[in-house]
Amino acid sequence: NAGVTQTPKFQVLKTGQSMTLQCAQDMNHEYMSWYRQDPGMGLRLIHYSVGAGITDQGEVPNGYNVSRSTTEDFPLRLLSAAPSQTSVYFCASSYSILDRVNNEKLFFGSGTQLSVL
Amino acid sequence: GIQVEQSPPDLILQEGANSTLRCNFSDSVNNLQWFHQNPWGQLINLFYIPSGTKQNGRLSATTVATERYSLLYISSSQTTDSGVYFCAVERGNQGGKLIFGQGTELSVKP
Repeated sequence: NAGVTQTPKFQVLKTGQSMTLQCAQDMNHEYMSWYRQDPGMGLRLIHYSVGAGITDQGEVPNGYNVSRSTTEDFPLRLLSAAPSQTSVYFCASSYSILDRVNNEKLFFGSGTQLSVL
Repeated sequence: GIQVEQSPPDLILQEGANSTLRCNFSDSVNNLQWFHQNPWGQLINLFYIPSGTKQNGRLSATTVATERYSLLYISSSQTTDSGVYFCAVERGNQGGKLIFGQGTELSVKP
C-alpha cells in the first residue's frame, strides 16, 4: 500500500491564482481530511469527509473548497490564493471497517509546502 | 470547542534520558492519538489511546479519560526521537475530526 499520497510536494503561487492540491489513499478508508500547519499553531482542520459525496467544514474553511466523488480521492481547491494561505498542507485518512487493529488511527500524507506571493 | 494543551512546549534531553509529555483536554473524548513529526516534517501515528495504557518499544502512553489527560513516556531517548510530538482528540464519532494541541518540541542531544 502507498498509504496517503499528496501532490505536489512544493508549490509557489501568485496572489489570486487558483490551484488544486491532490490527495489519494489506497487503504479503503472512509474518512479523509485536510489540515494546515503554521508555525506555532499546530495543525488546524480545514475540511473533512466521512464518505464519498459527504463533506463538511473544519476550523478554518474559508478560501478552500473540497469534493469527494470517490472513496479514494479528496482534492483541496484554493479558489483565489492569498498570502495568508502560505502554509504546509496535510491530507489524512482513517477508518476502515476491514482493519480492526488500526481502525481509528489517522494516517497522514507527506505534506505540500505552499507559498503565496 | 474542545481545548487541547500540551506541556512542556520545549524539551532538551541528553541521549539515554527518560521523559514524560503531557496532554490535557477540556472535555470528554472518545478518540485520542499521539503523533511524532520528524525533522523532515513527516507525521507518524504513535498511539490510538482513548483510555488505558499501551506500549510500543521504548514508547508508552497512558490516558486517564475521567481526569482528562494523557501522558506519553519516552525511555532511553535517542537522537532519532527528536521532533515535535502532538496530541489530538475527537469528542464523538465525527469522522476523524481531530483537534490538535500545539505540540512539544523535543531535542535529544548525543
